[in-house]
Amino acid sequence: DGGITQSPKYLFRKEGQNVTLSCEQNLNHDAMYWYRQDPGQGLRLIYYSQIVNDFQKGDIAEGYSVSREKKESFPLTVTSAQKNPTAFYLCATMGVRSADTQYFGPGTRLTVL
Amino acid sequence: SQQGEEDPQALSIQEGENATMNCSYKTSINNLQWYRQNSGRGLVHLILIRSNEREKHSGRLRVTLDTSKKSSSLLITASRAADTASYFCATVGSSNTGKLIFGQGTTLQVKP
Repeated sequence: DGGITQSPKYLFRKEGQNVTLSCEQNLNHDAMYWYRQDPGQGLRLIYYSQIVNDFQKGDIAEGYSVSREKKESFPLTVTSAQKNPTAFYLCATMGVRSADTQYFGPGTRLTVL
Repeated sequence: SQQGEEDPQALSIQEGENATMNCSYKTSINNLQWYRQNSGRGLVHLILIRSNEREKHSGRLRVTLDTSKKSSSLLITASRAADTASYFCATVGSSNTGKLIFGQGTTLQVKP
């Protein structure tokens, strides 16, 4: 997990509220990724960014939004349009020299009440 | 989209035994990677095998890749209780977009 921080570790929100999950990295990696993981499942890609001020939708982008104003930061907003937001959210980075290897943060568990 | 399918979904063995997990994928790949996830934590990269490689070793880990069958296996030898975790395969497509596509994982329990 070193070099990538996600906060908070646990997050509770009421239904209908937007919530922003933080992801910060000090690895100087260009690419950053957001994944969603449901119990007993693999990871599904929400959004990714390969360079500052640019990002692309992943496989399940509906109901989510991101920004990439700084290289170090890639916040994810879970909007009220996301029908089933309760999940474990993982942020990852990848550097030019890391040969497709991604480095993961510790994750944020979001529970919508 | 989920490309990889892993088999078995769950595996329970005694300490000292070997554990084998399999991964199948659908499209042509640039490389295949294996990651480990302890419960409630982020993923940790274990090993990467390129499409032109057939076998790779790292410590107690042995990975094989058969591109003709679009499958890979991860062998953990002499397992320890600390190996208890979920293991995921992930592929990078030939177009090399920097995206990983993950399988659904194998949950390994190693009993002391």
